[in-house]
Amino acid sequence: GAVVSQHPSWVICKSGTSVKIECRSLDFQATTMFWYRQFPKQSLMLMATSNEGSKATYEQGVEKDKFLINHASLTLSTLTVTSAHPEDSSFYICSAAPSQYFGPGTRLTVL
Amino acid sequence: GIQVEQSPPDLILQEGANSTLRCNFSDSVNNLQWFHQNPWGQLINLFYIPSGTKQNGRLSATTVATERYSLLYISSSQTTDSGVYFCAVERTSGGSNYKLTFGKGTLLTVNP
Repeated sequence: GAVVSQHPSWVICKSGTSVKIECRSLDFQATTMFWYRQFPKQSLMLMATSNEGSKATYEQGVEKDKFLINHASLTLSTLTVTSAHPEDSSFYICSAAPSQYFGPGTRLTVL
Repeated sequence: GIQVEQSPPDLILQEGANSTLRCNFSDSVNNLQWFHQNPWGQLINLFYIPSGTKQNGRLSATTVATERYSLLYISSSQTTDSGVYFCAVERTSGGSNYKLTFGKGTLLTVNP
């Protein structure tokens, strides 16, 4: 069946650095991917919609200059957390439309 | 935006017991899905159920769209059923197809 992968599965970085997370659809083409953030013991909150070949659409309250999204191909979307701070530590999960299969998530810890 | 409320927030069961999880939503929806998030964070799609009833093994789900709620039934629970169960709805609005709004989840613990 359809599979969505994410890389890395976990990352630890220093405050002020940038981190890139990849989301790939492995056996189908995804013109639209979604990025969610999940804080401990909380629900998933949609951050942005990634559209192949066009700009991402960000949800209210999500800083587009801090969370850079690139969807350069039909199978790959990337989320870059720029100038990461400890409050950005979270579990980041992507999904791909229309299948709504979710990636395994990336756990980001900012020291 | 649309509101999604799940109950109960926490549930503890003995292995073999049955349970019902509920999801209420505040507006009409195009899609409703139930997910299980395992302890490692992976979300598994259980049901795509905008209306009607579906069954898959020990799990079944019913959505009554006119009354804006959905139920997830787990029968003969097993320890591997532990985790968080999320309800998520999709409401097409201005081209935002497939965008899901999640409830806060039900944390299920099944003890041996």
